[in-house]
Amino acid sequence: EVQLVESGGGLVQPGGSLRLSCATSGFTFSIYAMTWVRQAPGKGLEWVSTISGSGSSTYHADSVKGRFTISRDSSKNTVFLQMNSLRDEDTAVYFCTKLGCSSTGCKYTSRGNWFDPWGQGALVTVSS
Amino acid sequence: DIQMTQSPSSLSASVGDRVTITCRSSQTINGYLNWYQQQPGKAPQLLIYGTSHLQNGVPSRFSASGSGTDFTLTINSLQPEDLATYYCQQSYSTPPAFGQGTRVEIK
Repeated sequence: EVQLVESGGGLVQPGGSLRLSCATSGFTFSIYAMTWVRQAPGKGLEWVSTISGSGSSTYHADSVKGRFTISRDSSKNTVFLQMNSLRDEDTAVYFCTKLGCSSTGCKYTSRGNWFDPWGQGALVTVSS
Repeated sequence: DIQMTQSPSSLSASVGDRVTITCRSSQTINGYLNWYQQQPGKAPQLLIYGTSHLQNGVPSRFSASGSGTDFTLTINSLQPEDLATYYCQQSYSTPPAFGQGTRVEIK
């Protein structure tokens, strides 16, 4: 069974930093791209960042580019999201999710892929 | 970037009713459309991928269809456990984009 478990959330002041972790199990980690999606309180889902299976390629939403960095450690089957220069509007639950492989491939740029499964989420609150 | 628009934003229906949710993309997405269910207080779960393919374990009362820019999710015979917010998501081009969600309430 595929499992994703996030940790590292908490309360941080504006301008501060936080590092989220997503421990995975139940699948061949190096094959699959991994993604962070966030959800502000009472709002919808927003794609944040994706990292390729090898870790050689990363992608970030414009709203976090230059502030957030996604990475992965294949020895620990874990994905990270380093969040710097945090703003009030970064307050959200951050979900880790695995990018499924479609008939066109397993890359972030492959068409027809999907997010499954999802972790339980980690709450990040940015407030003074 | 492709924008996704869902309607309605919320609906209320009775157990046993048939419910339909619509999702429209700002440009054609070649059928690369997924649906997720998010029950209250839980993480989203994949329901349907590629317009109409049910994810393993999803009850058969869920179905979906569409083409071009217009897609629908249908719940036949609504059940109490279907209380949730439903999101569509396009996987035709990057960045991936979600609709704003449709909240389904039980009367």
